[in-house]
Amino acid sequence: NAGVMQNPRHLVRRRGQEARLRCSPMKGHSHVYWYRQLPEEGLKFMVYLQKENIIDESGMPKERFSAEFPKEGPSILRIQQVVRGDSAAYFCASSRGSSNQPQHFGDGTRLSIL
Amino acid sequence: EDQVTQSPEALRLQEGESSSLNCSYTVSGLRGLFWYRQDPGKGPEFLFTLYSAGEEKEKERLKATLTKKESFLHITAPKPEDSATYLCAVPPPVGIKAAGNKLTFGGGTRVLVKP
Repeated sequence: NAGVMQNPRHLVRRRGQEARLRCSPMKGHSHVYWYRQLPEEGLKFMVYLQKENIIDESGMPKERFSAEFPKEGPSILRIQQVVRGDSAAYFCASSRGSSNQPQHFGDGTRLSIL
Repeated sequence: EDQVTQSPEALRLQEGESSSLNCSYTVSGLRGLFWYRQDPGKGPEFLFTLYSAGEEKEKERLKATLTKKESFLHITAPKPEDSATYLCAVPPPVGIKAAGNKLTFGGGTRVLVKP
């Protein structure tokens, strides 16, 4: 399966810990997007990255959240000092280009905060 | 801010009972509209892209259409395996120096098809 791969699928953290979510885009895709789906809410854009660059982080909280997409390796969404409100499903999507190209999604990481 | 509204929120159908889902948007200068299907515990699965009013796309029992203000997803003679949440999404409009293709999603329509 050459689809978007996310890991872990489930992640449990205690309040104050750090969460690291990983995303490997589809082969040939250089554009990565992160979305968050809170319980009973829709998908909300967080951040858009290309290799080694954050292009748009307008949907990402200013504090505690960061994202990267290094030259080698997967994209990482990092949440520091997690709080209960961070509990959600985090989805990564990738596309071949930025202009009207469909985004293909992974199956998400479900983050639970104890 | 772009608004994408889907209706109904939920739809119960008998197998074989055709119906339509609505996605209305307030974006002017639409660059495209995307339809996705999402099963519980899974990520959205891409179905269609529509680019201009009057365009139609089909895949098995699904047909998507687009007007200047809304899109419809028609489900013809649905089967239980068509049960899912259907999402529509739009990218930033033409003229906005937005980066890339960040999507604004509607709230989805949960479809349940009973045998």
